[in-house]
Amino acid sequence: GENVEQHPSTLSVQEGDSAVIKCTYSDSASNYFPWYKQELGKRPQLIIDIRSNVGEKKDQRIAVTLNKTAKHFSLHITETQPEDSAVYFCAASWENTGKLIFGQGTTLQVKP
Amino acid sequence: EAQVTQNPRYLITVTGKKLTVTCSQNMNHEYMSWYRQDPGLGLRQIYYSMNVEVTDKGDVPEGYKVSRKEKRNFPLILESPSPNQTSLYFCASSLKVETQAFFGQGTRLTVV
Repeated sequence: GENVEQHPSTLSVQEGDSAVIKCTYSDSASNYFPWYKQELGKRPQLIIDIRSNVGEKKDQRIAVTLNKTAKHFSLHITETQPEDSAVYFCAASWENTGKLIFGQGTTLQVKP
Repeated sequence: EAQVTQNPRYLITVTGKKLTVTCSQNMNHEYMSWYRQDPGLGLRQIYYSMNVEVTDKGDVPEGYKVSRKEKRNFPLILESPSPNQTSLYFCASSLKVETQAFFGQGTRLTVV
């Protein structure tokens, strides 16, 4: 069945360093891969997404890469800032079934 | 203002007492879904709906019911709540499953 695995579960970096979060998905039929950020006590919000026909997408300090052959995708945050501290969720959708499955989440702590 | 609205935000109830959590969106989205968020388990999909009168089970549907009689509303029903349904619940909507999801504010449910 559909499944998404996310690593690491926690990540601590110094301000200014880069952070990388990785996800793998179970089924090659998945076609859409969004990333959500959830600040403490808030609702998840989309920060970036990528579709299966694209290998990489950037938006200022964040980027997402997709390797369809290996069935994994990654979130890259450069020049991290304290306000990047949050829980990050990857997700994958399956158009044929209608499911949107989330990973387990990564708690990112950026130390000043 | 485009938004997804859940009610109530907080609810404490007793085992076995039927309850409904409402969800409404004003963006004319076709796709709506319910998630529960538990520490270490991420966001798990309970039910989803790809359009009016069409609902499907997600990964953790046991103990829950939904209905989609109108495009804007997608209530979550717990016929006989149990303590293991204590969780943070999010409703979300999007144009399609493979587009940006907008989340409600969340409902913190405690079943005693």
